[in-house]
Amino acid sequence: QQQVKQSPQSLIVQKGGIPIINCAYENTAFDYFPWYQQFPGKGPALLIAIRPDVSEKKEGRFTISFNKSAKQFSLHIMDSQPGDSATYFCAATTLGNTPLVFGKGTRLSVIA
Amino acid sequence: DAGVIQSPRHEVTEMGQEVTLRCKPISGHDYLFWYRQTMMRGLELLIYFNNNVPIDDSGMPEDRFSAKMPNASFSTLKIQPSEPRDSAVYFCASSRSTGSNQPQHFGDGTRLSIL
Repeated sequence: QQQVKQSPQSLIVQKGGIPIINCAYENTAFDYFPWYQQFPGKGPALLIAIRPDVSEKKEGRFTISFNKSAKQFSLHIMDSQPGDSATYFCAATTLGNTPLVFGKGTRLSVIA
Repeated sequence: DAGVIQSPRHEVTEMGQEVTLRCKPISGHDYLFWYRQTMMRGLELLIYFNNNVPIDDSGMPEDRFSAKMPNASFSTLKIQPSEPRDSAVYFCASSRSTGSNQPQHFGDGTRLSIL
């Protein structure tokens, strides 16, 4: 499977800051890019997802930016809160119910 | 919706023992996935099923690992014999098959420790 490279591995921001997590992929056949959020002791849960026909998608305080030519996408969390402290995974797949290819995750800590 | 249910939540056993992890997917979901999560390797797909049939088991690390899905509401992942390097959190996830990409719903995992 093609890899999805995620950075940084960990991130610490102050409350109200805007953490940014970046992902890059190689397989141009990928056409669905979800982000999953995982709290300690829980399984990952879908947070937000984007298709390559748009460059940005917002849901509440979470925004995905997508750059098809660069094969990169990123997650921005506006006005971050301590409750956003979690591990975030980017992923990619081709259309249809094929398995997700996950990045290695970013552990985010938002400190008050 | 009860969500994906995994059992046990924690398992501690000695090397060489057989380990069986269990998963009940969300009713109506046609796809079931088994993942392993470690600090070093992140989330790795081990195997996935569609309508109870294994589709891709290329992620299963070796013959000591096996998975079955005898019916739409139950799957097992078995390790025999277990080794300390199998220690990890194992997740089961399920999703619908219809329409465009459907989110995978994960269980809360089984934390496995092999001594």
